[in-house]
Amino acid sequence: DTGVSQNPRHKITKRGQNVTFRCDPISEHNRLYWYRQTLGQGPEFLTYFQNEAQLEKSRLLSDRFSAERPKGSFSTLEIQRTEQGDSAMYLCASSLTRGGTGELFFGEGSRLTVL
Amino acid sequence: AQRVTQPEKLLSVFKGAPVELKCNYSYSGSPELFWYVQYSRQRLQLLLRHISRESIKGFTADLNKGETSFHLKKPFAQEEDSAMYYCALSGLYGDTGRRALTFGSGTRLQVQP
Repeated sequence: DTGVSQNPRHKITKRGQNVTFRCDPISEHNRLYWYRQTLGQGPEFLTYFQNEAQLEKSRLLSDRFSAERPKGSFSTLEIQRTEQGDSAMYLCASSLTRGGTGELFFGEGSRLTVL
Repeated sequence: AQRVTQPEKLLSVFKGAPVELKCNYSYSGSPELFWYVQYSRQRLQLLLRHISRESIKGFTADLNKGETSFHLKKPFAQEEDSAMYYCALSGLYGDTGRRALTFGSGTRLQVQP
């Protein structure tokens, strides 16, 4: 197991286009998280799944953002009608959690640039 | 709401000097506090958590509920400690669950030779 895997690593798109990011967590990890990070800021929480259920969503997650984890394994984060303000690093993390807050294992991130 | 504040963007010290990275939080319930670290060209990773009360790589952090702080300390900094450090908090979700982590904006530690 090579850890949390994210792709694509870099995505450049034009404003108004849709983009999709994929995250493959560490196998057997029941929780999967999406964060967004912009320059000079810490990771900002977007949403997380426990198995296939989406348990929590941030107010940052506008209508244009949708995340899925259909079989409780990999997850996708789609951004529709991208805006320049969506330019950021999108981080995925997974954890094996039973009740408390387990250690989060992060991927290397997917960098989005919206022109 | 849960909020984490790291007041220093950059902390520069000389090798062998003591280090204290400040973290203050805002949360009315019982928090879980963590420090995550990102070394150059590496992924964000857990350094330590308050419930473990352990020392990792010489770093310790004590949760002070009265001052709502969780400062990270090391008595003698090493050059390999140079990295980005993030304080993070998890609040309660329902009766027994925990919310996703809220991160501070981070402090860059530079340890000069």
